[in-house]
Amino acid sequence: KQEVTQIPAALSVPEGENLVLNCSFTDSAIYNLQWFRQDPGKGLTSLLLIQSSQREQTSGRLNASLDKSSGRSTLYIAASQPGDSATYLCAVWGAAGNKLTFGGGTRVLVKP
Amino acid sequence: GAGVSQSPRYKVAKRGQDVALRCDPISGHVSLFWYQQALGQGPEFLTYFQNEAQLDKSGLPSDRFFAERPEGSVSTLKIQRTQQEDSAVYLCASSLDPQAFEVDRYTFGSGTRLTVV
Repeated sequence: KQEVTQIPAALSVPEGENLVLNCSFTDSAIYNLQWFRQDPGKGLTSLLLIQSSQREQTSGRLNASLDKSSGRSTLYIAASQPGDSATYLCAVWGAAGNKLTFGGGTRVLVKP
Repeated sequence: GAGVSQSPRYKVAKRGQDVALRCDPISGHVSLFWYQQALGQGPEFLTYFQNEAQLDKSGLPSDRFFAERPEGSVSTLKIQRTQQEDSAVYLCASSLDPQAFEVDRYTFGSGTRLTVV
């Protein structure tokens, strides 16, 4: 059974610092990995998707890497802003079934 | 509509009551998913539809949970005899891609927060 773990569970940084969020998964047989953002009381917003054959994806200040063989992904957010405060979730689409398996999320607070 | 719409946004149920949660996916989206998100945790898969066919219901926690999508558009998640452990946010997501394992982007609804008292 696929298990996804996110470390740390919570993170607080001053504005301007770079953020590093970690995600690990137990089964490397995946089609892709996604990073989502969740604001309180809101749904999920997809940030980046990395196909299993890719090593990284970038969008603006966001960069996500994928090391499928070791079961790890890292989301980097450069020059954090208070508007980046949210919960960040990673999820993998496993080769075995029709579903995303999510990690528990990292709650991020960026202080002005 | 422009996005995935879920109703009601909030539902308070007394233990033992039946509830029905509705999801209106984006028009034309073939795939529809339900997830359960307990407080402070990530979403967990409940069930998956491709059009009206329920292809995977392996995540439904008990036989008190039932989902349907009779016409391949709107879906309803029904929970019978609610219990306190059913308290969670129930998220619906839809995707245009009929091959679910090749999904590029999901669009999630804002969820229904169910509180069982």
